[in-house]
Amino acid sequence: SQQGEEDPQALSIQEGENATMNCSYKTSINNLQWYRQNSGRGLVHLILIRSNEREKHSGRLRVTLDTSKKSSSLLITASRAADTASYFCATVKETSGSRLTFGEGTQLTVNP
Amino acid sequence: DTEVTQTPKHLVMGMTNKKSLKCEQHMGHRAMYWYKQKAKKPPELMFVYSYEKLSINESVPSRFSPECPNSSLLNLHLHALQPEDSALYLCASSRKPTDAQEKLFFGSGTQLSVL
Repeated sequence: SQQGEEDPQALSIQEGENATMNCSYKTSINNLQWYRQNSGRGLVHLILIRSNEREKHSGRLRVTLDTSKKSSSLLITASRAADTASYFCATVKETSGSRLTFGEGTQLTVNP
Repeated sequence: DTEVTQTPKHLVMGMTNKKSLKCEQHMGHRAMYWYKQKAKKPPELMFVYSYEKLSINESVPSRFSPECPNSSLLNLHLHALQPEDSALYLCASSRKPTDAQEKLFFGSGTQLSVL
């Protein structure tokens, strides 16, 4: 079963608006990562947050992690049309070493 | 060089064909991965190589045969595939196999169609 589940499945916003995507997971994790995938392409790593961190920023990205609720959120501020992509959370279990498990993903469309 | 290169980009094969997917990285990474991704679904882990040795096989059918000839190359040999094996096959690498804090670098994938 998928370790991470995301909502919403699809999100459509206007340029300049903020986009928030959520991810929930089931077991204890070592860290949680967010990846972006343009249609038919490979995934690109965006940000990693460790299990002992609560919030992390990178440019227009803000990630939060709540281990008590087993959930994370990705906020993209001041979105651009070029942000249109699928966004996946991925978790590494405490005991899995290199086994990264992806959530179902959110398809973000930013309309110009 | 921070690229993972996959060839071919597209592949169409019949169910009786034998073909291979190739993946190459020159970042000195010692973990390499094969993922399978169906349309509108997340990537699913197939195999992990750590220091050129197969460390994880996620119960993948034997018609998929991975090979890691050296630390820079990863192959996926395909034989007697089924139409349901049609998918995007992604290769990835990371620096240290045993470090859970590592991020993955992905190639652009091979879009495989089995007729």
